[in-house]
Amino acid sequence: GDSVTQMEGPVTLSEEAFLTINCTYTATGYPSLFWYVQYPGEGLQLLLKATKADDKGSNKGFEATYRKETTSFHLEKGSVQVSDSAVYFCALRRIQGAQKLVFGQGTRLTINP
Amino acid sequence: DSGVTQTPKHLITATGQRVTLRCSPRSGDLSVYWYQQSLDQGLQFLIQYYNGEERAKGNILERFSAQQFPDLHSELNLSSLELGDSALYFCASSVGQGGNSPLHFGNGTRLTVT
Repeated sequence: GDSVTQMEGPVTLSEEAFLTINCTYTATGYPSLFWYVQYPGEGLQLLLKATKADDKGSNKGFEATYRKETTSFHLEKGSVQVSDSAVYFCALRRIQGAQKLVFGQGTRLTINP
Repeated sequence: DSGVTQTPKHLITATGQRVTLRCSPRSGDLSVYWYQQSLDQGLQFLIQYYNGEERAKGNILERFSAQQFPDLHSELNLSSLELGDSALYFCASSVGQGGNSPLHFGNGTRLTVT
């Protein structure tokens, strides 16, 4: 079945450091890919998405590129802030058939000042 | 604010009891999804409804049931509760069923079974 694998956390960085959270997927066909973020005590918020190969999603300084050849959708940010501390989830959703979101296990990110 | 409303925010109940979680989707969204988030299982898909009809089922126990009403709000019923049912339950909604449209999540209901 469909699955998403994220790098294990927790990840701890200093403010202004470069961030990469790896995400790879297994799916039939070409799903849409998403990154969600969950701040403490809150629900999941859509961070960015990409719907086809080579698409780049971006939002709030975060970027991720849909790489079909490596089945990856790594999340990057050039300079992280303390306010970026949260849990990040990579997810996929098939275009047809079962349209549920399939999530990775989540990566907890802590940014120290 | 995602526009998805879940009530109650917190629920504490005893084993063997039954509870109902409620979700109001974003205005205009026809699809509703239920997810369970626990520490050891991560985010698990439970069930999806589209315009009142069940469309997909995930890892939902037989003790759990859900429905979507004509006004599109949804309820998740959990019965014969066990300690292991303690988790955060999220509702999400989307405009349609297509894979391009993202899901918008509520803030969840935290269920504690004692």
